[in-house]
Amino acid sequence: DAGVTQSPTHLIKTRGQQVTLRCSPKSGHDTVSWYQQALGQGPQFIFQYYEEEERQRGNFPDRFSGHQFPNYSSELNVNALLLGDSALYLCASRSIAGGADATQYFGPGTRLLVL
Amino acid sequence: LAKTTQPISMDSYEGQEVNITCSHNNIATNDYITWYQQFPSQGPRFIIQGYKTKVTNEVASLFIPADRKSSTLSLPRVSLSDTAVYYCLVGDRGANTDKLIFGTGTRLQVFP
Repeated sequence: DAGVTQSPTHLIKTRGQQVTLRCSPKSGHDTVSWYQQALGQGPQFIFQYYEEEERQRGNFPDRFSGHQFPNYSSELNVNALLLGDSALYLCASRSIAGGADATQYFGPGTRLLVL
Repeated sequence: LAKTTQPISMDSYEGQEVNITCSHNNIATNDYITWYQQFPSQGPRFIIQGYKTKVTNEVASLFIPADRKSSTLSLPRVSLSDTAVYYCLVGDRGANTDKLIFGTGTRLQVFP
């Protein structure tokens, strides 16, 4: 049973560029959330996707956008990259049905470096 | 969502039991307590979750007193591979909200 997968593992961009990160949820999961983790800090919630719609959003500017596909996979897009966007980007998934398996499972992350 | 407070760091030696306490004074009635472990440059890994009293799995135990204003993660006989950051979170598991609020966590260093 594959867990949450993310691609690419590492990425280097320059200021002003745009980036797209990808996530495939754990088998059986239908909701995906994205987090940003700066060095030495805990992960910060960006947004959640369910049924191909953004359901919740954290305190992030509109430069951060996303998409969820019919197969539940998701993309995170960041426009007009800033140096401060350098971070580990984490994807987490769970089943919206909740209950005993409401726990979120995280992927390995994508390390983004903005120069 | 309730805020949590944990020690910034802890040191231990291999074979010892480690107890990490988390304070969550404003925990709500529907909130569960969840602990995650994170190694450098990896995603957080679920360890254990509980609501009250004691929960035990193959990795750890979670002790929650009756007032639920704190909780203690207990790692029996730690090894070098348990060196990681441990996060305590509280939230309403049944609210279908995925907004987990992580603090800075507790950095556990295990020495040989």
